[in-house]
Amino acid sequence: KAGVTQTPRYLIKTRGQQVTLSCSPISGHRSVSWYQQTPGQGLQFLFEYFSETQRNKGNFPGRFSGRQFSNSRSEMNVSTLELGDSALYLCASSLRPGGYQETQYFGPGTRLLVL
Amino acid sequence: AQKVTQAQTEISVVEKEDVTLDCVYETRDTTYYLFWYKQPPSGELVFLIRRNSFDEQNEISGRYSWNFQKSTSSFNFTITASQVVDSAVYFCALSGASYDKVIFGPGTSLSVIP
Repeated sequence: KAGVTQTPRYLIKTRGQQVTLSCSPISGHRSVSWYQQTPGQGLQFLFEYFSETQRNKGNFPGRFSGRQFSNSRSEMNVSTLELGDSALYLCASSLRPGGYQETQYFGPGTRLLVL
Repeated sequence: AQKVTQAQTEISVVEKEDVTLDCVYETRDTTYYLFWYKQPPSGELVFLIRRNSFDEQNEISGRYSWNFQKSTSSFNFTITASQVVDSAVYFCALSGASYDKVIFGPGTSLSVIP
């Protein structure tokens, strides 16, 4: 069974640009969560999607948005990039949302560098 | 406000030693979840355990065990007979009942020396 895949794995952008990251969950999983990891702020929760609906959102500005498609694949978008958005972006999938007793499976992450 | 504290920034142990990673949390919720994750040098997070606030039973999984004590707001993680493959950063996390208000601790970097 294929694991969680994230594309692209590495990305370099400049300030002011926008970026879209993709996450394909394990087949059959309908819940996808996104996380940001930076040296300064550590690990932070971005959002959780289940059946194409955003269930939870972390404390991030509106520049960070996401969506989930009918095949459970999810994308997150960051508009008007700032230097501080440089981070490792991780996604995780599970059968059901995080409020259930489910195991999460993480992808390898997308490393974004904003210059 | 919710908070997760992992006071140990870095720990080094010699292989086969036991090691305990501390996690102390703060929340006003009566229903919440606690988590532990492992991040090896490869960077990919690995989910280890979820515990809900109503289940204070200790959990053992192989060489790993978790001690949840609501009285001290702690959810500590012990690795018995540590191995080099246990070298990683370990994160403790807290969420509300619906996986809302997810907060991670700063992590503890564990080095197991052969």
